Amino acid sequence: EPEVTQTPSHQVTQMGQEVILRCVPISNHLYFYWYRQILGQKVEFLVSFYNNEISEKSEIFDDQFSVERPDGSNFTLKIRSTKLEDSAMYFCASSLAGGQPGELFFGEGSRLTVL
Amino acid sequence: QQPVQSPQAVILREGEDAVINCSSSKALYSVHWYRQKHGEAPVFLMILLKGGEQKGHEKISASFNEKKQQSSLYLTASQLSYSGTYFCGTHGSSNTGKLIFGQGTTLQVKP
Repeated sequence: EPEVTQTPSHQVTQMGQEVILRCVPISNHLYFYWYRQILGQKVEFLVSFYNNEISEKSEIFDDQFSVERPDGSNFTLKIRSTKLEDSAMYFCASSLAGGQPGELFFGEGSRLTVL
Repeated sequence: QQPVQSPQAVILREGEDAVINCSSSKALYSVHWYRQKHGEAPVFLMILLKGGEQKGHEKISASFNEKKQQSSLYLTASQLSYSGTYFCGTHGSSNTGKLIFGQGTTLQVKP
């Protein structure tokens, strides 16, 4: 069964360092998302991406965050200068269609710990 | 705007039933339900569409009342495997597929 894969599964970094989280969405999917979940809390929307550009982003997704799809398969989330409050589980998700109410397929997540 | 779920937590014995509610102050296009087990990714359960259509998944079913902007998830004859956190996710009129999730309802099923 096709799945969304994410790397790394866990990353520990120092405050102020840049972090790149990588995702390989399901191959025929068209819409890509990043969500984050602070331990024990809800799953928060960060950004949606379609047709090689951001289609929507939340207030959390400020200038420190960026996304790109560099090679047609990977979908990356970059945090330029990490803060302590960026510590969270980051989930990548993809869906076949966005205008239709498509099911979101989530990856297993990348746990980011900022020290 | 974030949908609101109730209750926040439920503890059941195996075989008992539970209802989890999800409501929104905004008009809804659809409602998704996901279950997340500890340390794992959310897993899709079902989508509810406008028109109050009910969808089922094993012994888990749900309804969507678009007038009231509410959805309810019904878990009947609960099994140990039902334990986890249940999130509803709502679409507005956005075409981006973005889901906004509620705060979650933690369900614990005990033997």
